[in-house]
Amino acid sequence: DTAVSQTPKYLVTQMGNDKSIKCEQNLGHDTMYWYKQDSKKFLKIMFSYNNKELIINETVPNRFSPKSPDKAHLNLHINSLELGDSAVYFCASRGFFGETQYFGPGTRLLVL
Amino acid sequence: AQSVTQLDSQVPVFEEAPVELRCNYSSSVSVYLFWYVQYPNQGLQLLLKYLSGSTLVKGINGFEAEFNKSQTSFHLRKPSVHISDTAEYFCAAEGYGGATNKLIFGTGTLLAVQP
Repeated sequence: DTAVSQTPKYLVTQMGNDKSIKCEQNLGHDTMYWYKQDSKKFLKIMFSYNNKELIINETVPNRFSPKSPDKAHLNLHINSLELGDSAVYFCASRGFFGETQYFGPGTRLLVL
Repeated sequence: AQSVTQLDSQVPVFEEAPVELRCNYSSSVSVYLFWYVQYPNQGLQLLLKYLSGSTLVKGINGFEAEFNKSQTSFHLRKPSVHISDTAEYFCAAEGYGGATNKLIFGTGTLLAVQP
């Protein structure tokens, strides 16, 4: 059973389009995250939800909107995609502070 | 606020040789420290973590790391590497005591094991 899953694994789209990435965790964790990994492999947190409540919102363009319908799911919707949005997006989850964050396999987004 | 520095972007090493991947952190509060590994086209997997207690931490796949508070370092070591250890390694820190806590990653070190 996959602990943290993401769909789709690959996403190729045109500039200006709107797309969504879904994330689900079956670990019973309360906290979920979205990270962006750029072409230089640099990882940066974007958002964090704790029990469906947004607790971390880094300096991310308004075109990015996370949604958490329940504590097992955290989706990421991106409006008006730009070339610079091309990256790998990782979802992660964890139970308590200090515990391990478990990462999904990533979604490779390419904007043409 | 925290920051994590991994000075070596790439470390080439021969198989069965020892390796050390360096990590230094900066923080105004106490931190938890982590090492993650990322194999090609995969997500991140925890190697080991330091929360408290013994400063020498053992992880999976024969890796270990030592927390040095005075040097603000958390270097990762393995006495004998295998080809399969070729991957990107990330050091990360998380400060505690604040209202929100987030994992800050270093820029990664590519461990390239050669036969």
